[in-house]
Amino acid sequence: GQNIDQPTEMTATEGAIVQINCTYQTSGFNGLFWYQQHAGEAPTFLSYNVLDGLEEKGRFSSFLSRSKGYSYLLLKELQMKDSASYLCAVGAGKSTFGDGTTLTVKP
Amino acid sequence: DSGVTQTPKHLITATGQRVTLRCSPRSGDLSVYWYQQSLDQGLQFLIQYYNGEERAKGNILERFSAQQFPDLHSELNLSSLELGDSALYFCASSVGSSGTDTQYFGPGTRLTVL
Repeated sequence: GQNIDQPTEMTATEGAIVQINCTYQTSGFNGLFWYQQHAGEAPTFLSYNVLDGLEEKGRFSSFLSRSKGYSYLLLKELQMKDSASYLCAVGAGKSTFGDGTTLTVKP
Repeated sequence: DSGVTQTPKHLITATGQRVTLRCSPRSGDLSVYWYQQSLDQGLQFLIQYYNGEERAKGNILERFSAQQFPDLHSELNLSSLELGDSALYFCASSVGSSGTDTQYFGPGTRLTVL
């Protein structure tokens, strides 16, 4: 089966750095995705990790440790528009999504 | 704009009714996925089609069915609707059929069952 855990909510301050963690237990693994979803809108792709290590893409970075079943999404220089839900998804035949972490960025 | 289109954008109907949601994937994508997202809940995977064939099934109710047509568009049919079926229904598409492909999501159909 598939089990993905993320914190439900996080709050951070504009300009700060925030790390959103994701742990997973899956019967297979073909990579880990992070998506961003603003309220009432469609999820949009942020990053994909298939090998261990850090992938950096502008203000967003994503880290993966396959041996630990662990990933995190790092958001730097937070902006108000980063307030959204962040979904961790594991690809293993078909992608399974976590319930998402709702991030609130405060001024 | 992801390139995935969904119609209608909003749908209001009554309990016991049947509705059809439509999705057109991005040009070149062969896989279509359907998800249900109820209020304040995560994405629940319903079903995946790849090049016209059912590829994977999630927690899809027997009252729900889907198909993918030769032109690769897909329809999700929801019947005997209940209040609890009110949700956002997203369609996503990807190039291939494995879990390694990025999924691109449509804008969703908001279904309200009264």
